[in-house]
Amino acid sequence: GEDVEQSLFLSVREGDSSVINCTYTDSSSTYLYWYKQEPGAGLQLLTYIFSNMDMKQDQRLTVLLNKKDKHLSLRIADTQTGDSAIYFCAESMDDYKLSFGAGTTVTVRA
Amino acid sequence: DAGVIQSPRHEVTEMGQEVTLRCKPISGHDYLFWYRQTMMRGLELLIYFNNNVPIDDSGMPEDRFSAKMPNASFSTLKIQPSEPRDSAVYFCASSGGTVENYGYTFGSGTRLTVV
Repeated sequence: GEDVEQSLFLSVREGDSSVINCTYTDSSSTYLYWYKQEPGAGLQLLTYIFSNMDMKQDQRLTVLLNKKDKHLSLRIADTQTGDSAIYFCAESMDDYKLSFGAGTTVTVRA
Repeated sequence: DAGVIQSPRHEVTEMGQEVTLRCKPISGHDYLFWYRQTMMRGLELLIYFNNNVPIDDSGMPEDRFSAKMPNASFSTLKIQPSEPRDSAVYFCASSGGTVENYGYTFGSGTRLTVV
């Protein structure tokens, strides 16, 4: 999706925190999502945040939303090798479509 | 629920042949989406349905592509004739479409190779 931008690659050491950033354009987006895609698999919904929230925590995942700057981030604490995947940011549009970013490939190194 | 089911998982076909991809959405989901994923273009929305009716097909590349949803539990994406540039992973996704449930559930995809 042209309207959602993400950096393409992130390399992180096992045990460190990963932070994946995303910017979006539609200020009326109701929900913002993070999806994970492992090799050879479909996209799996990781977490989402409602637009009236600033932060959401779910175990090792923390989502931060800055509506003023239209900036969304996903922090993964204590990154493990199983976290190696492509992570997609997505925003909801008025007509029930989701607009996806290009995906950030996260590589966890030992 | 078994999730969104796509078939086949892999398809290899010769240029010019017809290809049909199949999808069974999650029961009760009234939105169905077809996406194509390539390295060059990322995830592209091809078409989506609401209550079996096509709502937006602006992403369908050209007339060689067609999609149908004859009932709430089945959809097909057909390419005729297929070309090598159609090689990609095709995903189907379904959604409940409510305010609380805009998130999609994706199938495992069909990897199409046109030689």
